[in-house]
Amino acid sequence: DQQVKQNSPSLSVQEGRISILNCDYTNSMFDYFLWYKKYPAEGPTFLISISSIKDKNEDGRFTVFLNKSAKHLSLHIVPSQPGDSAVYFCAASNSGGSNYKLTFGKGTLLTVNP
Amino acid sequence: DADVTQTPRNRITKTGKRIMLECSQTKGHDRMYWYRQDPGLGLRLIYYSFDVKDINKGEISDGYSVSRQAQAKFSLSLESAIPNQTALYFCATSEGSGMYQETQYFGPGTRLLVL
Repeated sequence: DQQVKQNSPSLSVQEGRISILNCDYTNSMFDYFLWYKKYPAEGPTFLISISSIKDKNEDGRFTVFLNKSAKHLSLHIVPSQPGDSAVYFCAASNSGGSNYKLTFGKGTLLTVNP
Repeated sequence: DADVTQTPRNRITKTGKRIMLECSQTKGHDRMYWYRQDPGLGLRLIYYSFDVKDINKGEISDGYSVSRQAQAKFSLSLESAIPNQTALYFCATSEGSGMYQETQYFGPGTRLLVL
């Protein structure tokens, strides 16, 4: 049973436009959410996170939105740049349980076209 | 210099062989993890360690063992490699400061092919 779902395997956008990557989760105990970016032949790189006490967190061009009632989060990249082309993983953890454990989605491949 | 390093970066081995993947970190973190990634799947946790004397199984530990030689070093062994252990392996670390919401930081990965 997949507890973190990224239903879009891939997304293609034009440079300068907004990229929106989506993630859904089923475990209501998750209270900390992270986005990682992964380039080929490299490890995942931490991008941005959000605690369940917030509904938005912003860092430069990257903003993560959390809708707890819908068990949905999204990552917005504005404006998108060709260097943003990578696989993006959504991850979640339950800090009230075992805060070591990150549950990952399968990833979304973002391609930003010049 | 990278904070989390993994050796080797690529490895080809044969079924039945024992191999070891190594991870070192200079972040001073207490917690270390081993994950594997298969095509089209997310990362799955194999083992984790909260300190040198603490080793715990993750969700897919069968066929693997680990050793935490020091705070900075965490090794993953495949006792008798099999083809379905062909995957990308990642080591990760986190601070372990007692913060209840921690971020994990990943190494560059080891690509393993078992023939």
